[in-house]
Amino acid sequence: DIQMTQSPSTLFASVGDRVTITCRASQNINTWLAWYQQKPGKAPKLLIYQASSLESGVPSRFSGSRSGTEFTLTISSLQPDDFATYFCQQYHSYSWTFGQGTKVEIK
Amino acid sequence: EVHLMESGGGLVQPGGSRRLSCAASGFTFSNYEMNWVRQTPGKGLEWISNISTSGDITHHADSVKGRFTISRDNAKNSLYLQMNNLRVEDTAVYYCASAGDCATGPCHNTAYFRYWGQGAVVTVAS
Repeated sequence: DIQMTQSPSTLFASVGDRVTITCRASQNINTWLAWYQQKPGKAPKLLIYQASSLESGVPSRFSGSRSGTEFTLTISSLQPDDFATYFCQQYHSYSWTFGQGTKVEIK
Repeated sequence: EVHLMESGGGLVQPGGSRRLSCAASGFTFSNYEMNWVRQTPGKGLEWISNISTSGDITHHADSVKGRFTISRDNAKNSLYLQMNNLRVEDTAVYYCASAGDCATGPCHNTAYFRYWGQGAVVTVAS
């Protein structure tokens, strides 16, 4: 299985901060990567697919990028609604796998 | 509005069986591959099963292969997960989740999880 290593596990930030979360794949997955946001007691919500495509309805402050096997989710200016846990997921090959998650907390 | 609603969760004894259902509405169910994804505090999110749009091709994670079976009924806009020989480590929140719209192109290109249900809690304990 392809391993997805996500960092950091926890991130403390303030409203207005630029936030970066990284996910590294254990092998080449091209651009077959998605990012999700999850809030307590709720299902994950799709933010980004194919590494950098913004899902419809998702604010433009969210963006995704790729450099080789390293993928980045960036929130350009953190908003109060963005405090949540974020996951990456590869869909290059079965078994599809998720990163361990990054919890974004208030500094 | 897209809606996925799981049902069938509950408490099961080790070695027991349970069937989860997922009712879909608000989108053309038969155009979408469907999945089951589970979540535990310890292991995080884990994809466990996928089924093709017509239901003739399925994939399961090694952790559930031979014990769990995914199926669908497009006429009823419903997805199912038959879970047999349940183990304590199967305790989790189980989500049904759609992939993307296969009618727009190759299914693999949209294999991310676009729509999610609210989750069903399955607890395996004696």
